[in-house]
Amino acid sequence: GAGVSQSPRYKVAKRGQDVALRCDPISGHVSLFWYQQALGQGPEFLTYFQNEAQLDKSGLPSDRFFAERPEGSVSTLKIQRTQQEDSAVYLCASSSPPGQGLRGTEAFFGQGTRLTVV
Amino acid sequence: SQQGEEDPQALSIQEGENATMNCSYKTSINNLQWYRQNSGRGLVHLILIRSNEREKHSGRLRVTLDTSKKSSSLLITASRAADTASYFCATAGTGSARQLTFGSGTQLTVLP
Repeated sequence: GAGVSQSPRYKVAKRGQDVALRCDPISGHVSLFWYQQALGQGPEFLTYFQNEAQLDKSGLPSDRFFAERPEGSVSTLKIQRTQQEDSAVYLCASSSPPGQGLRGTEAFFGQGTRLTVV
Repeated sequence: SQQGEEDPQALSIQEGENATMNCSYKTSINNLQWYRQNSGRGLVHLILIRSNEREKHSGRLRVTLDTSKKSSSLLITASRAADTASYFCATAGTGSARQLTFGSGTQLTVLP
């Protein structure tokens, strides 16, 4: 595809509701990352996939957060029982080289999903 | 947690002036990258500098890296109103982690 696509762009959830955020990376990109960006802050790492394998989930803030990439392309970030502190922009990024993640090359970011929990 | 701090947090200049943003980080790096983010949009990669490089240029951008001080600077020359955005530095570490770690960003406003 032309770029990383994320949907929805905006999501309003009632506290306690489950949400699913989708990321469609650039075709052929092996590495996929999810980041969380609070207002006025830099993105913070959540999790990393190489193809369908979730190699690092150390940034997921709680067991309410779950991510998957079953066929090595599209990824979904799921947040269960949303809480107000989950309100943020969720960014997805992909990059090409296998095995290096973002060590050697740039990341291509989607426009993000702005989640507001009310 | 954020890898580093950016300085200043906010910068306002007139069109045509140069803008300098600084970034400090804490751990050893493989490379350091700068990204730009327009309001409500995703991040766009600007430039990458490797740990064995000291300076790099790309168009109106000049990046320096001082690994002994664990710091980097981004200079935008002859700024334009369209340069108004948030600028983030991000580091790729030398360990097993594959992700970038971002700073807190500098909000640049270029006044026409």
